[in-house]
Amino acid sequence: QKEVEQDPGPLSVPEGAIVSLNCTYSNSAFQYFMWYRQYSRKGPELLMYTYSSGNKEDGRFTAQVDKSSKYISLFIRDSQPSDSATYLCAMRLNTGFQKLVFGTGTRLLVSP
Amino acid sequence: GAGVSQSPSNKVTEKGKDVELRCDPISGHTALYWYRQSLGQGLEFLIYFQGNSAPDKSGLPSDRFSAERTGGSVSTLTIQRTQQEDSAVYLCASSLAPRDMGNQPQHFGDGTRLSIL
Repeated sequence: QKEVEQDPGPLSVPEGAIVSLNCTYSNSAFQYFMWYRQYSRKGPELLMYTYSSGNKEDGRFTAQVDKSSKYISLFIRDSQPSDSATYLCAMRLNTGFQKLVFGTGTRLLVSP
Repeated sequence: GAGVSQSPSNKVTEKGKDVELRCDPISGHTALYWYRQSLGQGLEFLIYFQGNSAPDKSGLPSDRFSAERTGGSVSTLTIQRTQQEDSAVYLCASSLAPRDMGNQPQHFGDGTRLSIL
């Protein structure tokens, strides 16, 4: 079993829909949680990060972390065709361990 | 340049050959990371540099893989005697020096697409 599980999709939605992307993880010691967006043939781009549990909002994006359930989510409001990409969750341990552990990514397709 | 630069962007080579992949981090970033992304897989951590030293090289899959960093800047990932299973996208990221509290975001390059024939 992988440390971080993520549904590969694809997830297809119409423009304007609310999108929910999720990851589950097994290591309760993870402290930092990130969401990256990756366009085809490009490197991942950091969207948001959250420390420990809680919510964080940035424009149309909201990240949620529920450490008790080992479950993280990214919500995208008013989705746009330009949001079509692969979304990768990533997480890491405390400051002594810098490597990120990634999910496999969910491919999102937003149709006009 | 403003971002992480990787070269070559694509590399095709024959099984058994050695390859060198280069990463030029963002200026001022002392931390540098290599990851590998295989088809259908998430990114796998390979190695982390802080300055010129590598405190974590736990992700290197075999002794055919090595990496170095000189002058606290450019890094080279070398794969010797390449195998077909080495085919993947090799991504480099850099960040400011990690600190006790807070997160230093890792900024990624666009990767080197390596194909082993």
